[in-house]
Amino acid sequence: AQSVAQPEDQVNVAEGNPLTVKCTYSVSGNPYLFWYVQYPNRGLQFLLKYITGDNLVKGSYGFEAEFNKSQTSFHLKKPSALVSDSALYFCAVRDIAGKSTFGDGTTLTVKP
Amino acid sequence: DGGITQSPKYLFRKEGQNVTLSCEQNLNHDAMYWYRQDPGQGLRLIYYSQIVNDFQKGDIAEGYSVSREKKESFPLTVTSAQKNPTAFYLCASSTTSGFTETQYFGPGTRLLVL
Repeated sequence: AQSVAQPEDQVNVAEGNPLTVKCTYSVSGNPYLFWYVQYPNRGLQFLLKYITGDNLVKGSYGFEAEFNKSQTSFHLKKPSALVSDSALYFCAVRDIAGKSTFGDGTTLTVKP
Repeated sequence: DGGITQSPKYLFRKEGQNVTLSCEQNLNHDAMYWYRQDPGQGLRLIYYSQIVNDFQKGDIAEGYSVSREKKESFPLTVTSAQKNPTAFYLCASSTTSGFTETQYFGPGTRLLVL
């Protein structure tokens, strides 16, 4: 069975500093990985995905993620955090049948 | 505007009552999904449908039922058999159910038990 772990419930960074939200996965076969963001009482919004190709994936709002096969990780990064980036972030892995498994989420707080 | 709508935004259920959550999309997507979100937990898949008139159980289907009579609609019924229905329910859709497809989410319905 596939699984996703987001080891940090909470990440706090100062505005302007780089941020990283961690995600590790376990899956049989090739991994198909996604990051979503959720603002309070809203649905999830797609940020980026890794299907194949370059290990560094660029997405919406200046976010990027680095796929590392040997470490089975897909960490979300941004060079300079904004207060408006504060939200709940979910990593997800999808199997070849199309079924998604989500991590428990990481709350990112960016302080001015 | 294209998108996914869910109604109502808040829903209250009495003991022993069935309630139905609406999900409509005008994106012409074939695949639709229902997830349940609880505090501190990720999304868990309840049901999904790859095409009209077809649907499959997800990880936590007990106490729920769905139908997919129209491509744009995928209503979820929370039955009285679901003993802990209080949660945030999210509907999603994708072009197909293929593993490369991005899922697009509605704004959610929060269900509360009276």
